Amino acid sequence: DGGITQSPKYLFRKEGQNVTLSCEQNLNHDAMYWYRQDPGQGLRLIYYSQIVNDFQKGDIAEGYSVSREKKESFPLTVTSAQKNPTAFYLCASTAWGGSGTEAFFGQGTRLTVV
Amino acid sequence: DAKTTQPNSMESNEEEPVHLPCNHSTISGTDYIHWYRQLPSQGPEYVIHGLTSNVNNRMASLAIAEDRKSSTLILHRATLRDAAVYYCILRDNYGQNFVFGPGTRLSVLP
Repeated sequence: DGGITQSPKYLFRKEGQNVTLSCEQNLNHDAMYWYRQDPGQGLRLIYYSQIVNDFQKGDIAEGYSVSREKKESFPLTVTSAQKNPTAFYLCASTAWGGSGTEAFFGQGTRLTVV
Repeated sequence: DAKTTQPNSMESNEEEPVHLPCNHSTISGTDYIHWYRQLPSQGPEYVIHGLTSNVNNRMASLAIAEDRKSSTLILHRATLRDAAVYYCILRDNYGQNFVFGPGTRLSVLP
């Protein structure tokens, strides 16, 4: 079945460490997105990528980095520069071609800084 | 992306219809109206989307006002599994990102 997979589901990080969250899709989608969600809040856009080897900053990109070397993969690195990284992280993908296409979301990674 | 306004929370009884409103007074002619819902500790899932005409699918119906400045997501018979946060989002042909507001938290009472 086609879908979008995030791993791991839960992740613990010590302060000062970088950590990378995985996002893989087999939907042949061109665009991929990373969102952050804090308790009781909506989703905030971190980065998005419309094609391979290209990505754009979202509203809260500081302290995060991404790469898009393959169409299927869009990993997110939470760096030590991110001051408050504890949150629920969601990855999504859409087909290219305008606003009439739906987005598919992964099941999320819950990151906790210990 | 244009902004939407939704009530913070709504309540419904099981097996009754639910009408979830969304205002989008600054919508442009090319904006599609999308609805997603999110269950606790899960990623959002697509519900329905439309441009001008009312839309129906197996999950819900979308009623779009004639001036397109508001829309309503209709769940015909609410079940306990429909308890979730529902997001109304506008998406245009040029913007490739989805902008999420706080959404409406729907509670379904047995």
